[in-house]
Amino acid sequence: GESVGLHLPTLSVQEGDNSIINCAYSNSASDYFIWYKQESGKGPQFIIDIRSNMDKRQGQRVTVLLNKTVKHLSLQIAATQPGDSAVYFCAEQNWEYGNKLVFGAGTILRVKS
Amino acid sequence: AAGVIQSPRHLIKEKRETATLKCYPIPRHDTVYWYQQGPGQDPQFLISFYEKMQSDKGSIPDRFSAQQFSDYHSELNMSSLELGDSALYFCASSSQGYLNSPLHFGNGTRLTVT
Repeated sequence: GESVGLHLPTLSVQEGDNSIINCAYSNSASDYFIWYKQESGKGPQFIIDIRSNMDKRQGQRVTVLLNKTVKHLSLQIAATQPGDSAVYFCAEQNWEYGNKLVFGAGTILRVKS
Repeated sequence: AAGVIQSPRHLIKEKRETATLKCYPIPRHDTVYWYQQGPGQDPQFLISFYEKMQSDKGSIPDRFSAQQFSDYHSELNMSSLELGDSALYFCASSSQGYLNSPLHFGNGTRLTVT
C-alpha cells in the first residue's frame, strides 16, 4: 500500500550534538513533504515543510533536505536539546493521495544529557 | 493562537457500544481530517471533509461515519466498537482545500474499548 518509510526506529544523540533523521518516500509524484514532532500524549506538531520545487529549507535550528532523485528526505536538528526528545514523522502529499498526508513509521529521538 | 480542539480527551467504552468524537478546527480552516494511531504506529488516514463535503476516504471501517457541520466542526461516529478500535484518534485541519498546506493536529482522543 501507500508508504513513506523510516529505517531507523530510534536515534540517540548527546545534548548539543546535531541530529539527522532520514526518510525514504515511495511515490515520485509526491510534491509536498512535512516533518512532524510528536510528544507523548500529544498530537503531531508541525515542524517544517518543503515543496518538491525546492531541495532545502531552513527554519529555527531545523533544516529539511529533499533529494528527489533518490526519493529521500531528511530533517537536521542543530544543537539538539532535551526538549527535542520525541517521535518524528515525515509525511508526504500528492494528488494521487488526494489532500491527505501519508505518514511514515516514525523515528524516536532520544537526547542524552 | 487557537489550535484544533478535540473532545473528549479520553473515552472508555465497552465492546459493541457507540462513541462520538468531536473536533473543532482552527478558525477559517475549511478542511478537516481524521486519523487513527495505534500504539507505536504512524497515524493512519480515515476520512476528510472540505467545505462540509467528504473529500477523501481512507481505511475507515463501515462501522464508522463522520460529517462536517455548517460551523466546520466535525464528528466521528463509531458504532459496534471492537477491542481493535482502541487507539488515539486525531483530528487535523488546514486551509485552502486541495492546495498544499500543512495539517495542524489536535491532541487527540484516546479511545479504550474493553
